[in-house]
Amino acid sequence: AQTVTQSQPEMSVQEAETVTLSCTYDTSESNYYLFWYKQPPSRQMILVIRQEAYKQQNATENRFSVNFQKAAKSFSLKISDSQLGDTAMYFCAYKLSGAGSYQLTFGKGTKLSVIP
Amino acid sequence: GAGVSQSPRYKVAKRGQDVALRCDPISGHVSLFWYQQALGQGPEFLTYFQNEAQLDKSGLPSDRFFAERPEGSVSTLKIQRTQQEDSAVYLCASSATPPWDRAANSGNTIYFGEGSWLTVV
Repeated sequence: AQTVTQSQPEMSVQEAETVTLSCTYDTSESNYYLFWYKQPPSRQMILVIRQEAYKQQNATENRFSVNFQKAAKSFSLKISDSQLGDTAMYFCAYKLSGAGSYQLTFGKGTKLSVIP
Repeated sequence: GAGVSQSPRYKVAKRGQDVALRCDPISGHVSLFWYQQALGQGPEFLTYFQNEAQLDKSGLPSDRFFAERPEGSVSTLKIQRTQQEDSAVYLCASSATPPWDRAANSGNTIYFGEGSWLTVV
């Protein structure tokens, strides 16, 4: 079974600074997707960034970028120029690729606080 | 509506009561998912519908949990004889295409609702 581990229960960062959230996963598969979701107090999960395992290039979305190390099974999220609105829970998630694959497996989350 | 809508947002049930949680997915979305998120945990998969067909219910914790999507749009998650361990946020999500449809690219993005908070006392 696939597992996703987020080893940092809580982190804080000063506004405008850069922070990196860690995620490792365990899988025997070679084709899969990795995601970072943001969950504000409203509880709605919002997709931040997505990475396909067969793509070597790290995904970027504006201030958000990932460092995907397939051999190490590591998928960290870097947030640049942190803003107060980035304060939220962040979840790393895994999904197998291929027909019939639909389950997302989530980590336990990292609570990020951006300090003014 | 513009997004996935869930109701009620908050529900307090006495132990042993039955509850029904409703999900209105984004109009036209083929895929619908239910996840359970206990306090301090990440969401865990409960069940998946493709249109009206329930393709996977392997994540439902017990036979007290039942989900349906009779017309391929609105879905209801029913919990019978609620127990304290059922207290959680129940998240519904939908996507325009089956989530394994790589050709759809951004079309298979999964959109989540704000969840229904269930507290069993």
